[in-house]
Order: sequence, then C-alpha cells, then structure tokens
Amino acid sequence: AQKVTQAQTEISVVEKEDVTLDCVYETRDTTYYLFWYKQPPSGELVFLIRRNSFDEQNEISGRYSWNFQKSTSSFNFTITASQVVDSAVYFCALSERNNAGNMLTFGGGTRLMVKP
Amino acid sequence: ETGVTQTPRHLVMGMTNKKSLKCEQHLGHNAMYWYKQSAKKPLELMFVYNFKEQTENNSVPSRFSPECPNSSHLFLHLHTLQPEDSALYLCASSQEGQGIAGELFFGEGSRLTVL
Repeated sequence: AQKVTQAQTEISVVEKEDVTLDCVYETRDTTYYLFWYKQPPSGELVFLIRRNSFDEQNEISGRYSWNFQKSTSSFNFTITASQVVDSAVYFCALSERNNAGNMLTFGGGTRLMVKP
Repeated sequence: ETGVTQTPRHLVMGMTNKKSLKCEQHLGHNAMYWYKQSAKKPLELMFVYNFKEQTENNSVPSRFSPECPNSSHLFLHLHTLQPEDSALYLCASSQEGQGIAGELFFGEGSRLTVL
C-alpha cells in the first residue's frame, strides 16, 4: 500500500528564515509521481510541483526548492527567506496511477506559521 | 472564472436531511474527484470519475452518492449523514492521459456540519 509521511505537524519560523518541510513516501510502484500542494486558509489546495520517479533532479522555483532523493524515498521542500504569505498547510502526495485517473495519497500535512 | 468552483461553501444539515454538493470545472479536464478532509485525518479520496464514468469508489458509505452528468459537473448527494461526516469536502479535476499523472486542480471546498 502507498503511504506518505510528513513527520512535522507544525513548524513556526520568523520571517526571512529558511524552512524545510520533510516528506517520506512508500510505494511498490516503479513509476510514480510526487506532488506538493499548498492549502491557504481559504481552503483550496494549490498545486506547487509534480515530479516523476525517473527525474531526480532537484528543482528551484524562486524561493521554493525541492530535493528528491529516491534512495531515501524522500521529497523535501525548502522555502528560502520565508514570508508571512507562506503561512499555510503544505501537503505532500504520491500518485497511484492507473487507467481510472490520478489518485493521490496525501500525507497528513505540515502547518507552517511564518511570524513577522 | 476560477478553475473549479464548489457550492455551497458552507452547509449545516441535520441527520435526516437530504442535500447536495455541487462542483463545476471550467478547465476542460476529463477526470473529476471528491476528497474528504477531516480535522484529524489526511485527505481521503472518495470518488473518481473519468470521462463521466465512475472508476473508483474508495469504500465510501452509501449515504454519500456521487453523480457526474457530464465532464464538467460533479455532485455529491448526501442523506442520513452522521455527525462524524462533518468535514471539508473538496472537489478536484485533472487532465488524464498519455501515461502522465495530471496535477489536480482543487476547488475551495464545501464545509459540511452535521448536527
């Protein structure tokens, strides 16, 4: 069975600090996709990144960066120079693909609070 | 218009009521989903529709009944719910095909309270 673990339930930082959100996954599939979503107080989940299991290159997008390590089954997310607007719940997810659709298994989420 | 819209945003119902949640996607996607987000549980997949056909029912109680009349609309019919069904119900859509897992686009959710 697929499983995603986000061990940090809550993180509190002061603005401009760097912060890393951890994600560890379990799957028997050789082909899979990993995602990060952000859930602001308004409720909708906002897509941040998708990474397939064959692409282990790290990715940087502005202040966001992702570190995919297949050897440790981890897909960690770092926010550099955090801002108050980064405060949200962040979810890591693993895709189980079949012809039915893209069924995501989500981690429990990490609530990030960035204080001014 | 936003990509995925859900109505109502908030709903309070008694255990004997019948109500429906509505979801509409304006993205031209071919797959739609219902997820449940409870206070102390991870997001749980409830139903998947692909090209209007229900392809997954994740052991959801029959008091939840989905309907997908076309690829843009998805409903969740609710009847004789329990207080533990109180949660945020999120609708999502994606474009599936060609062996790539499409990213899901979510609505803002319908917050349901069952009294």
